[in-house]
Amino acid sequence: QVTLKESGPVLVKPTETLTLTCTVSGFSLSNARMGVSWIRQPPGKALEWLAHIFSNDEKSYSTSLKSRLTISKDTSKSQVVLTMTNMDPVDTATYYCARIHAVHDYAPDYWGQGTLVTVSS
Amino acid sequence: EIVMTQSPATLSVSPGERATLSCRASQSVSSNLAWYQQKPGQAPRLLIYGASTRATGIPARFSGSGSGTEFTLTISSLQSEDFAVYYCQQYNNWFWTFGQGTKVEIK
Repeated sequence: QVTLKESGPVLVKPTETLTLTCTVSGFSLSNARMGVSWIRQPPGKALEWLAHIFSNDEKSYSTSLKSRLTISKDTSKSQVVLTMTNMDPVDTATYYCARIHAVHDYAPDYWGQGTLVTVSS
Repeated sequence: EIVMTQSPATLSVSPGERATLSCRASQSVSSNLAWYQQKPGQAPRLLIYGASTRATGIPARFSGSGSGTEFTLTISSLQSEDFAVYYCQQYNNWFWTFGQGTKVEIK
C-alpha cells in the first residue's frame, strides 16, 4: 500500500526557513521511473507545483520559486525534504507531497494528506 | 510558463445529469494533461492522465478528451459523490501548471 505523509511546523515566522519532510511507504525512492513532487495550495485557492525529485536525484523547481527552494531525498529513510527560505505570509498554504510514476505518465497518483503551514509573526 | 484556463468557474448540475468541464492551455501540451478531483479537506485525486486514460479505480462515467490546447472532462451522469472541485494540470515538461479549478455544485 502506497502512502505519503508530510510533517513539519504548522507555524513559521516571516523571513524564517521552512523545512518539510515527506515520509513514504509502499515504494522505494530508488525505484526507476518514479519520483516525488511537492505541491501547495493556499486556502481557497488553486494548486501550485513547487518541485520534483527523481530516483536518479535529478531535480526540477518552479521557475518563480527556484531561488528559495531546495529538494533532497534520503533513500534509506524513505524521506524527501523540501526547504523554502525567506517565508512570507503569502506562502501560507497546505503543502502536499505526491508520488509520480511513469505508469501514470508521471502525473501524481498518490498524495499525502497535506500539512497546513501558516506564516505569521 | 504554460497557463491553464478552466471554464466555467462554477457549474451547477442536477444529480444524474451530464457535466462538461473545459480546460485550455496557452500553448500545446500534446496529450500531457491530467484531471484531478478535490473534495473539501482532502488531497486531490488523480482521475485522468494522458488526456483520456482513466486512473486506477476511476469509474467509467469520467472521461477525458482533447489534445494540443483544448481539453474536456465529462462526467456522464453525476452522482452525489461527484460534487467537488476539478483541476486540470499540464505536464508537457517538468514545469507543471494547474488550472484555477471548476467547482461542480448541486443545482
